[in-house]
Amino acid sequence: DTAVSQTPKYLVTQMGNDKSIKCEQNLGHDTMYWYKQDSKKFLKIMFSYNNKELIINETVPNRFSPKSPDKAHLNLHINSLELGDSAVYFCASSLSMNNEQFFGPGTRLTVL
Amino acid sequence: QQQVKQSPQSLIVQKGGISIINCAYENTAFDYFPWYQQFPGKGPALLIAIRPDVSEKKEGRFTISFNKSAKQFSLHIMDSQPGDSATYFCAANKAAGNKLTFGGGTRVLVKP
Repeated sequence: DTAVSQTPKYLVTQMGNDKSIKCEQNLGHDTMYWYKQDSKKFLKIMFSYNNKELIINETVPNRFSPKSPDKAHLNLHINSLELGDSAVYFCASSLSMNNEQFFGPGTRLTVL
Repeated sequence: QQQVKQSPQSLIVQKGGISIINCAYENTAFDYFPWYQQFPGKGPALLIAIRPDVSEKKEGRFTISFNKSAKQFSLHIMDSQPGDSATYFCAANKAAGNKLTFGGGTRVLVKP
């Protein structure tokens, strides 16, 4: 299936831990994004990468570090997790920076 | 500062009725206005989108109306069906950077 996939789907961890979320797309897109959806369902962009180059970095704490090993992957590493990081994180991709964004199924992160 | 304001927060409509969701934006540089549909546990999926050079776009039962002077756009779901029950997000985008700014979402429940 052609799609944007994320792993894991659920992530439960303790405060202070470091965790990573992986994202892969097989759509042949060159731009990838990370969004955060909070408990009130508000969606906000965090980062975007175009051809492995960081394009958007939206006032996100530097505990969050995206890494794009190639155009098909954009991983999100989070250091020193805090309670407020609990949310659903969505990866998305698009063909170039001026086209429809396709979203992955999301990763629900719960920080205890 | 919320750049895209969406209303209502929730909506209940009878099967066969019309669902109307409204959005207003502030940034006149926005030039692409998509609507996303999100089912529980899933990522947002593009439903329909419009650019400011047209005032209306229709795809099946879904219609976007766009008022550039008022900086408002709306989604009309005609002949609403129980399967349309979902959360709907309006968004706005500037071509450069493809940074989607989302409205707060509207939870639509269609009663059979």
